[in-house]
Formats: sequence, C-alpha cells, structure tokens
Amino acid sequence: EVQLVESGGGLVQPGGSLRLSCAASGFTFSSYWMHWVRQAPGKGLVWVSRINPDGSTTNYADSVKGRFTISRDNAKNTLYLQMNSLRAEDTAVYYCAGGSNGDYRVFDPWGQGTLVTVSS
Amino acid sequence: DIVMTQSPDSLAVSLGERATINCKSSQSVLSSSNNKNYLAWYQQKPGQPPKLLIYWASTRESVVPDRFSGSGSGTDFTLTIGSLQAEDVAVYYCQQYYSTPYTFGQGTKLEIK
Repeated sequence: EVQLVESGGGLVQPGGSLRLSCAASGFTFSSYWMHWVRQAPGKGLVWVSRINPDGSTTNYADSVKGRFTISRDNAKNTLYLQMNSLRAEDTAVYYCAGGSNGDYRVFDPWGQGTLVTVSS
Repeated sequence: DIVMTQSPDSLAVSLGERATINCKSSQSVLSSSNNKNYLAWYQQKPGQPPKLLIYWASTRESVVPDRFSGSGSGTDFTLTIGSLQAEDVAVYYCQQYYSTPYTFGQGTKLEIK
C-alpha cells in the first residue's frame, strides 16, 4: 500500500524552527518528485516546495524562500522540510505529496498532514 | 503567478442531479508544444487530505468514478459530477501545474440540497 506519513509538527514560537518529516512506503520513493503543500485552518491549498528524485533540484514559493529548505534521504525513504524564522502566517497543516504517475507536477498520493502552529 | 479562480464558492445540488464547478486561470495553461492543458482537480472531504480526481484537464484517475469528468481548455475549465451521490460532499479544488509556483483555486464547497 502506498503511504506517506508526516511527523514533526507542533507549537513553536515566532522566529523558531521546526523540521517536518515524511516517511514514504509502498512505492519507489527515489524515483519520484516530492512536494510540500500547506493549508491554513479553514483555508485553501498552497504549494510550498518541490524536490526532484535525486535531490539536486529544489523550488520554493516566494513566501517561504530563504526560510524553508526541502531535502530528502532516499536511503531512508524520507522527505524533509526544515522551517526556520517561522511566522504566524506559517500556521497550517503541512502535507507531503508525491508527484503522480500522470505527471510529476500533479499531487498524488498525499499524506494525512501534520499541524504546525506558530504562536507565542 | 497564475491566479486560479473558481465559481461558485459553494453550491447545493440534489442527489442524482448534476453538479458543475468552474475554474478560470489568469493566463492560458495550454502548452503549445504538446497541446495539453496543465490543469488538475482534487476533492477534499472534511478531516482528510485532498484526493486527485483529474489531470490534464480531462484524464480521470483510474479509481475515480466515471460520474466525474473534466473539460475545458486554455483558461476555462469545468468539473462535472454527472449524478451527485452523498459521498461527493466535499470541497473541490482546481490546480494549475503549467508553471511554478503551482497554484490552486480557492475551492468550491459542494453540499446536498
């Protein structure tokens, strides 16, 4: 069964840091682009970042560029998102998603998400 | 950035009736190199992550019921649910993947009338 499981969310103060993880199973993780997408409480979906299969190419939304870093460990089948200088507006459920078989820029599958709350 | 605008924001449809959701992009997402529209649709039920329904504007995922269909080209797209079932209550999002940053519509909440 294809599965993505996020972890690492929680409450953090403004200016703080957090590292999210996404453990993949049931598919050849090292062959797929991976993405992070976030959803603020009661709001819509926002793409955050993407990384290519070997980790050599990364892209970010302007709102997180310079503060967030996406990475992956293909030996551990795990995707990461290092989040620094966190702001209240970063509060959201963070989903990891795979690039689908149809096209790597389409998101499938999705994890269940991990909630990040930035508040003092 | 490409702005995606969905209409309506919400709609209520009777069971068995057709539901139609529209999505408009601020610029064309049709590629001249392969004649494909870089447009996907997702369904999100309460408390769940989104689920991919359709990509390339009209290609349905294999596990998605055939009552779901996508159409359109260029800047104007439509998701149609042919005969609404109770389990289709959800928020639906369109997404362009023509260029980064990938962007979503604001969502359309579908309810039963």
